Amino acid sequence: NAGVMQNPRHLVRRRGQEARLRCSPMKGHSHVYWYRQLPEEGLKFMVYLQKENIIDESGMPKERFSAEFPKEGPSILRIQQVVRGDSAAYFCASSTYLEETQYFGPGTRLLVL
Amino acid sequence: AQSVTQLDSQVPVFEEAPVELRCNYSSSVSVYLFWYVQYPNQGLQLLLKYLSGSTLVKGINGFEAEFNKSQTSFHLRKPSVHISDTAEYFCAVREGSNFGNEKLTFGTGTRLTIIP
Repeated sequence: NAGVMQNPRHLVRRRGQEARLRCSPMKGHSHVYWYRQLPEEGLKFMVYLQKENIIDESGMPKERFSAEFPKEGPSILRIQQVVRGDSAAYFCASSTYLEETQYFGPGTRLLVL
Repeated sequence: AQSVTQLDSQVPVFEEAPVELRCNYSSSVSVYLFWYVQYPNQGLQLLLKYLSGSTLVKGINGFEAEFNKSQTSFHLRKPSVHISDTAEYFCAVREGSNFGNEKLTFGTGTRLTIIP
């Protein structure tokens, strides 16, 4: 059973470009969470999605950030018009319904030049 | 809302010595508690978790943690560390309910360095 997959593992963007981060949950998992880890800090919750639904986006910045988890395909975290402060590691986690444990992917490390 | 405090940002320990990594939390409701380990440039791996029942929980790689409700703590311990335990350790909490509010709140992490 493959774990949580994230791609790309590393992403370099120039200021003003768009960044698209993908997350494929573990097989059978219908819940996806995105977290951001700034340098030398812990992980901060961004958004929690189920298939075709955003359940909790209380941690998402109000502008430029969006997330989706379509019926088919991976979950996508999209950052428009990136700025240097968006440089961070973005982690995706998944779980099943009623599962207490979240399983994390290897992360995407975004560098904005 | 929950919060997690990991007071020790860095802990150096000699190989084969015991270690304790401290974690305190605050919450107005019942919680589930987790310890994750992060090796350099990798994702987070679950070490152990407390959901209910016995307050002493055992995890992988010889780690264990004890839930203390009165002190709102969930300290991580290992009786004898190995070089391979060098990593960042994160304590996390979530509301102890299966309906909504399932996000994890993380501490800032403790960097454990094992000295040969």
